[in-house]
Amino acid sequence: AQSVTQPDIHITVSEGASLELRCNYSYGATPYLFWYVQSPGQGLQLLLKYFSGDTLVQGIKGFEAEFKRSQSSFNLRKPSVHWSDAAEYFCAVGANDYKLSFGAGTTVTVRA
Amino acid sequence: DAMVIQNPRYQVTQFGKPVTLSCSQTLNHNVMYWYQQKSSQAPKLLFHYYDKDFNNEADTPDNFQSRRPNTSFCFLDIRSPGLGDAAMYLCATRGTAYEQYFGPGTRLTVT
Repeated sequence: AQSVTQPDIHITVSEGASLELRCNYSYGATPYLFWYVQSPGQGLQLLLKYFSGDTLVQGIKGFEAEFKRSQSSFNLRKPSVHWSDAAEYFCAVGANDYKLSFGAGTTVTVRA
Repeated sequence: DAMVIQNPRYQVTQFGKPVTLSCSQTLNHNVMYWYQQKSSQAPKLLFHYYDKDFNNEADTPDNFQSRRPNTSFCFLDIRSPGLGDAAMYLCATRGTAYEQYFGPGTRLTVT
């Protein structure tokens, strides 16, 4: 069965600084990988996805993620954070059973 | 815009009083999901439908049931809500690359 680890529970970053959120997955085959963002009281919004091809994927809101098979990682990055990026971020891995396995999430706080 | 819609956004019910949460989608996706999410936790899958085929997670309490009368609509019924069922309930659909599209959620309060 697949699983996801997000090592950082909480990250604080200054507005305008870069952000990197870590995600490690466990899955026997090539995974389908996703990053979602959730603002307080809202549903999850898909930021980006990877399932094949170029290992650097671009998403919405200026985010990108890089798939590294050798490290079983799919880290999310943003070069310059805005105050509106404060939210909960979930990494997820999908398999052929229609289900997603989510990481525990990373809370991002943006300070002025 | 095509989307996943959940009603109501906020629901208050009394302990033991049945409640139904609604979800509709305009994406015409054949897989739909119901998740429960408690504060500061990842969403927990309750069940999913592939078309009309219902798939229950092994640890979903019997208190939770679901109906999918057609492709567009899906309902979550909580027969006898307890205080522990207070949570955000998220509906989602599945796209062509296994990605899921979530609705805004229904916040359930049990008094």
